[in-house]
Amino acid sequence: GEDVEQSLFLSVREGDSSVINCTYTDSSSTYLYWYKQEPGAGLQLLTYIFSNMDMKQDQRLTVLLNKKDKHLSLRIADTQTGDSAIYFCAESSSASKIIFGSGTRLSIRP
Amino acid sequence: DTAVSQTPKYLVTQMGNDKSIKCEQNLGHDTMYWYKQDSKKFLKIMFSYNNKELIINETVPNRFSPKSPDKAHLNLHINSLELGDSAVYFCASSGLPAKNIQYFGAGTRLSVL
Repeated sequence: GEDVEQSLFLSVREGDSSVINCTYTDSSSTYLYWYKQEPGAGLQLLTYIFSNMDMKQDQRLTVLLNKKDKHLSLRIADTQTGDSAIYFCAESSSASKIIFGSGTRLSIRP
Repeated sequence: DTAVSQTPKYLVTQMGNDKSIKCEQNLGHDTMYWYKQDSKKFLKIMFSYNNKELIINETVPNRFSPKSPDKAHLNLHINSLELGDSAVYFCASSGLPAKNIQYFGAGTRLSVL
């Protein structure tokens, strides 16, 4: 079945870049997503990429997709304390079903 | 205005009770979802409704019964609550122009004692 995997924790120094990685198994994925969850809050869509793209940039966020290796990454430039959250990678191959990874908890060191 | 709103935000109840969680969206979407997030933050879809019709029903105990009175509402009723039902339940919705993008509510934290 479909599976999305990501590491559970990442710690970076404030001002450095954060790179969160994700792998997925569904070769028919059409959309890949990054969601952010702050403590006690719901999931906020950060960005998404179509499977026919290999890169998308939006201000401090850069998404890279390697479709051959089924690898997705999220780079956050100039990481700030407000970026502390859990980041979920997700994929969908149909309009109605999204499969989420386990989330990567990003913590920022001063 | 909150796009996807759930009530209540917190729900503490005893085992064996029956409870409901309500969800409303004002985005004009035609598809709504319920997800369960466990203590390890794993997020799993439970149900999906499109235009008031059930389209996804994952392996969920039949103590859980979703009800969609109209396109803007999807409520979740849980009978005979068990300790393992303790989790955060998220409602989401999607629709045109981007049917593959789901918007989430803030969650309902259910604690069963």
